[in-house]
Amino acid sequence: KAGVTQTPRYLIKTRGQQVTLSCSPISGHRSVSWYQQTPGQGLQFLFEYFSETQRNKGNFPGRFSGRQFSNSRSEMNVSTLELGDSALYLCASSPPDRVGLGYTFGSGTRLTVV
Amino acid sequence: QKEVEQNSGPLSVPEGAIASLNCTYSDRGSQSFFWYRQYSGKSPELIMFIYSNGDKEDGRFTAQLNKASQYVSLLIRDSQPSDSATYLCAVNRGANNLFFGTGTRLTVIP
Repeated sequence: KAGVTQTPRYLIKTRGQQVTLSCSPISGHRSVSWYQQTPGQGLQFLFEYFSETQRNKGNFPGRFSGRQFSNSRSEMNVSTLELGDSALYLCASSPPDRVGLGYTFGSGTRLTVV
Repeated sequence: QKEVEQNSGPLSVPEGAIASLNCTYSDRGSQSFFWYRQYSGKSPELIMFIYSNGDKEDGRFTAQLNKASQYVSLLIRDSQPSDSATYLCAVNRGANNLFFGTGTRLTVIP
C-alpha cells in the first residue's frame, strides 16, 4: 500500500515569496498533520486536518496556513517567506481518530529560503 | 519547561551492547507515548508505542513507561550498527497531535 507522498522533495525560494507544499496521505487515512523540523527546535506541530477541517493548530504565525481536500490530500502554504522558515516540512497521516496509534510520515519537503 | 525532553547525545555504544534512551514529559495528562527512529536525511518511522505503566517488548526493543515519574525509556538490546540513528520520543496528550523531543543521536560502534 502506498505511503504518505509529499511533493516537491526540495524547494529553494527567495525571502518574501510564498510556497505551497502538497501531501497525499495513506489511502483510508483522513487525518493529516504537518510538522516543521529544524536542527535547533526539533519537530514542531503546525496543524492537523480531518475531514477538510482544521482540528488543531500549533504556535506558528498566520503566514502558515493549510487546507484539506475531500480526497484527504492536504496542502500547506507559507506566505512572505523568511530565512528562518528554512526547514524540513513533514506531513503525517493516521487512521481516523487514531493519532494515539502514531503517525506515518512522508519523506518531507526540504525548503531553503535564500 | 519543554513538553518533552531528551538528552541530545550523542550516545555511543559498542555493537552487541544495550543502548538506553531516556525521555521525560511535563504533562501528567499525557496518554500515549511513542518512539520514532530517524536516519540521517530520512523521515521519522514509528518503532514502538506504549500506553500503560511497565514494559513493552518488541524484538530487540523494550519501551518502559513510568507515569508517576513522567518518564519513558527505550532499550535496544544487542545493538547493531544499523541502529545508528536519531531516536525521537513523542507524547500524545489526547488531542490530535504529538509533542516531540529534540531526539537523541545514537551511534553503535562496530
